[in-house]
Amino acid sequence: GQQLNQSPQSMFIQEGEDVSMNCTSSSIFNTWLWYKQDPGEGPVLLIALYKAGELTSNGRLTAQFGITRKDSFLNISASIPSDVGIYFCAGRQVQGAQKLVFGQGTRLTINP
Amino acid sequence: IAGITQAPTSQILAAGRRMTLRCTQDMRHNAMYWYRQDLGLGLRLIHYSNTAGTTGKGEVPDGYSVSRANTDDFPLTLASAVPSQTSVYFCASSDSIRSNTGELFFGEGSRLTVL
Repeated sequence: GQQLNQSPQSMFIQEGEDVSMNCTSSSIFNTWLWYKQDPGEGPVLLIALYKAGELTSNGRLTAQFGITRKDSFLNISASIPSDVGIYFCAGRQVQGAQKLVFGQGTRLTINP
Repeated sequence: IAGITQAPTSQILAAGRRMTLRCTQDMRHNAMYWYRQDLGLGLRLIHYSNTAGTTGKGEVPDGYSVSRANTDDFPLTLASAVPSQTSVYFCASSDSIRSNTGELFFGEGSRLTVL
């Protein structure tokens, strides 16, 4: 079953607000990735994290790789209408076939 | 434009029918994957292939089969479709030999409805 717990499952916010979402796992991961899926399309990579404690920014997006290697968060500052979509965290485990495991997704809705 | 092409974009079929979803990539990535996306469950791995000629089972492989005869193509077959296989299917690829980033590149998805 799912090994990543992503929360919240959905968010309804006003344009201009900041957004925060996170993923936790019972297993250690050596890579955390955050993807965004626009309606009717496939997920696209936003940010990749490779080291515990790493904090990375991409424009208004900021993500961190947790020190324990079992969690990660994504923040979006000053949200705009094009931020609408589903955000997925994904982790690559230390052992195994290097496959990615995905969280359940966070659906972001923005009221203008 | 380089990337992943999936076909069909959407399909409705009767239970018990055989169906193959096609996936082609032109990025010469060694690894390819099939995920299904269901509300509240995110993306779950069905099957994967680390290189041409090899395949492996993912999290939810039952009822599905794949083949990887060459680098570019990775078809997913439902031998006898059931309603629980109604979902959106995404094919993805990654270059796990030349890059250690773990990034997956996704197609636009195939929406399958089994009645």
